[in-house]
Amino acid sequence: DAGVIQSPRHEVTEMGQEVTLRCKPISGHNSLFWYRQTMMRGLELLIYFNNNVPIDDSGMPEDRFSAKMPNASFSTLKIQPSEPRDSAVYFCASSFEGLAVTGELFFGEGSRLTVL
Amino acid sequence: QQQVKQSPQSLIVQKGGIPIINCAYENTAFDYFPWYQQFPGKGPALLIAIRPDVSEKKEGRFTISFNKSAKQFSLHIMDSQPGDSATYFCAAPGGKLIFGQGTELSVKP
Repeated sequence: DAGVIQSPRHEVTEMGQEVTLRCKPISGHNSLFWYRQTMMRGLELLIYFNNNVPIDDSGMPEDRFSAKMPNASFSTLKIQPSEPRDSAVYFCASSFEGLAVTGELFFGEGSRLTVL
Repeated sequence: QQQVKQSPQSLIVQKGGIPIINCAYENTAFDYFPWYQQFPGKGPALLIAIRPDVSEKKEGRFTISFNKSAKQFSLHIMDSQPGDSATYFCAAPGGKLIFGQGTELSVKP
């Protein structure tokens, strides 16, 4: 079974450029989460969707960040304009209804972003 | 927002030792409490989870202990191996998962 698929795996860009990270959740999962991981702040929840609808975006750091989920099999996280402090590993994760019962999220392998 | 406080930040043990990682929650009124394991270059993956109506759960060499009165959960790794070297996270459950800061475990041969 294919897991959560993220692209690109690595991205190096210059300050001010637009960055788009992509995620394909596991087929049949109806919840999708974007996390950011840094040494200083650990794993931070940025936003999550349920049935393609954004439920909680309180973790999105500022207006430069936006996320969309146009359908059940695709989501994007966009940073415009990017800044060096956005450098981090961005994870996408998905789950079925069972998250509330089992606590299981399925994570992708992450997109490592470096902003110069 | 539910907060989780995890300790220690890092841990080094010898092979065969029993590392213990602790997690404290503000609110225990949830259905389960999970621990995740993350290897370098990979995403976190669910390791083991416990329901609050039991005090202990074992899966292989991994054991969760739950102290409801103290609002604390602990992960014990019996007979630890170098392959257990990873970062471990506890998480606050609900409609979304809020993770602790993580514990970087190193098991020396």
